[in-house]
Amino acid sequence: EPEVTQTPSHQVTQMGQEVILRCVPISNHLYFYWYRQILGQKVEFLVSFYNNEISEKSEIFDDQFSVERPDGSNFTLKIRSTKLEDSAMYFCASSELRGGGETQYFGPGTRLLVL
Amino acid sequence: AQTVTQSQPEMSVQEAETVTLSCTYDTSESDYYLFWYKQPPSRQMILVIRQEAYKQQNATENRFSVNFQKAAKSFSLKISDSQLGDAAMYFCAYTSGTYKYIFGTGTRLKVLA
Repeated sequence: EPEVTQTPSHQVTQMGQEVILRCVPISNHLYFYWYRQILGQKVEFLVSFYNNEISEKSEIFDDQFSVERPDGSNFTLKIRSTKLEDSAMYFCASSELRGGGETQYFGPGTRLLVL
Repeated sequence: AQTVTQSQPEMSVQEAETVTLSCTYDTSESDYYLFWYKQPPSRQMILVIRQEAYKQQNATENRFSVNFQKAAKSFSLKISDSQLGDAAMYFCAYTSGTYKYIFGTGTRLKVLA
């Protein structure tokens, strides 16, 4: 069964460094998402992406964050200058269609630790 | 604003027994969707069950069923005949048809042999 994959599974970085988290969505899916979960807190929506554009973003998704689909398979989340509070688990998801309660399929996550 | 609350951080159940995980939500929308996702350790979240708010019938998937009480804004998950493989973090999620899901904080389920 097709799965969403994410790399790396763990990343440790120094505050102020740039990180890129990578995701490979399910191949026939058109909508892509990033969520994050700070330890002990809720999974929070960051951004959705369709047709090479951001469709929706949360207030968390500020100018430090960007997303890109650099090729036909990868979907990336870049954090330009990491802060301590960016330490979290980051989940990528994809769906075949938009909204209407369409099921989103999640990857295993990347655990980011900012020191 | 829509919110999802899971009040049980951790639950335990004996193998072969039944357990119910609770979820409540707050919304002013009339049309929305609710989900339960399972996340085994170091694995991706997988969909367990999905409920459309306009459907009165409770969703069922094999040993998993929900008790959807729309007026009470409650969406509990019942796992029957619990198995060791059911041990995981369970997340309740809501969407009203926009792109984003709103999640609860999760319930960690332990299955005791």
